[in-house]
Amino acid sequence: AQKITQTQPGMFVQEKEAVTLDCTYDTSDQSYGLFWYKQPSSGEMIFLIYQGSYDEQNATEGRYSLNFQKARKSANLVISASQLGDSAMYFCAMREGVEYSSASKIIFGSGTRLSIRP
Amino acid sequence: DVKVTQSSRYLVKRTGEKVFLECVQDMDHENMFWYRQDPGLGLRLIYFSYDVKMKEKGDIPEGYSVSREKKERFSLILESASTNQTSMYLCASSRDRNTEAFFGQGTRLTVV
Repeated sequence: AQKITQTQPGMFVQEKEAVTLDCTYDTSDQSYGLFWYKQPSSGEMIFLIYQGSYDEQNATEGRYSLNFQKARKSANLVISASQLGDSAMYFCAMREGVEYSSASKIIFGSGTRLSIRP
Repeated sequence: DVKVTQSSRYLVKRTGEKVFLECVQDMDHENMFWYRQDPGLGLRLIYFSYDVKMKEKGDIPEGYSVSREKKERFSLILESASTNQTSMYLCASSRDRNTEAFFGQGTRLTVV
């Protein structure tokens, strides 16, 4: 079963509008972390924002905020006042523990390609 | 500045060859990861390591193995390359479970 689901393969948004990228996750862990990464056409992976499962406040980093709804198992990324440079692939990721081990792994969703129209 | 370096940006190999992809990090991170990225599938975890000589299978380990003899280096090995292993390979490292992973620039591998 897919553990990280991003249901929007592609999105078009007008410049300066806010945009929400959807992410739902599935885990039986009590302690886990949620991440969002941006991948522009250059291919580099850029970390945007992190939310821990025990954090009560939604994480914010500049124009990025993470709308964390634990009961619904969703971790949507909100970008306020979008810019042309926001055009990129966006990945939601989750870090969870490995059973019977001290290890933890990070798994990714399939991504959303965001295109900003001038 | 944090750095994860993958040995090659582009590689072309023949079917059946043994292929080594190398990844080095300079941040003294415990955790290292190998992913492959394919259009529409996102990043899929192949193997990861949480300490020297410690490794765990990810979601798609078949056809791959890994080696971590030193903390800073994590190698991905394709025992006998096949055309369906043509992909972008990304290495990442992280300090602990509450911090982000840092990525290398990726290796685009083509198996012909």
